[in-house]
Amino acid sequence: GNSVTQMEGPVTLSEEAFLTINCTYTATGYPSLFWYVQYPGEGLQLLLKATKADDKGSNKGFEATYRKETTSFHLEKGSVQVSDSAVYFCALILNDYKLSFGAGTTVTVRA
Amino acid sequence: EAGVTQFPSHSVIEKGQTVTLRCDPISGHDNLYWYRRVMGKEIKFLLHFVKESKQDESGMPNNRFLAERTGGTYSTLKVQPAELEDSGVYFCASSQGWAGASETQYFGPGTRLLVL
Repeated sequence: GNSVTQMEGPVTLSEEAFLTINCTYTATGYPSLFWYVQYPGEGLQLLLKATKADDKGSNKGFEATYRKETTSFHLEKGSVQVSDSAVYFCALILNDYKLSFGAGTTVTVRA
Repeated sequence: EAGVTQFPSHSVIEKGQTVTLRCDPISGHDNLYWYRRVMGKEIKFLLHFVKESKQDESGMPNNRFLAERTGGTYSTLKVQPAELEDSGVYFCASSQGWAGASETQYFGPGTRLLVL
């Protein structure tokens, strides 16, 4: 079946540090890939997505590139802020409507 | 435009009791989904409605869970009787059309259920 594996947290960073959250997937086919974010007290929000190999999704300073050869979709941000503190979920969809999520990575950014 | 709302935000019940969770999707969204995150693990799909019809309930864990969407508007998810392993966060999402890469699923804040 389809599955997503992302790095375990929690991750604690200082403001302006570089953030990377690793995500790899297993799928029988070519999925679309997503990063969702859940800020404290809020629902899951789509952060970015990529629908085919070598696509780069970007939003709010975050980027992730769909790497078919390594089945990865790592999330990066060059300079994090306190407001980036949240839980980040990597997810995929393959030919249907069911999102398959990773376990989530909690990120805390300290001032 | 209001987003997806869920009620209650938190629920603490004893094993064997019944709990009903409610989800109000974004107005005009025919597709409604329930997901669950148990014990800080991955979020898993439970079921999918298209309007009032259950399109896919393959993720429902067992027959103690009953989802309804009368009239194709809001949805309820009832757990009866609740067991300890049902504790977790229940998310609802909606989308205008069939989700896939081109359809964004909009999520609610979730209901945190704790069964003691």
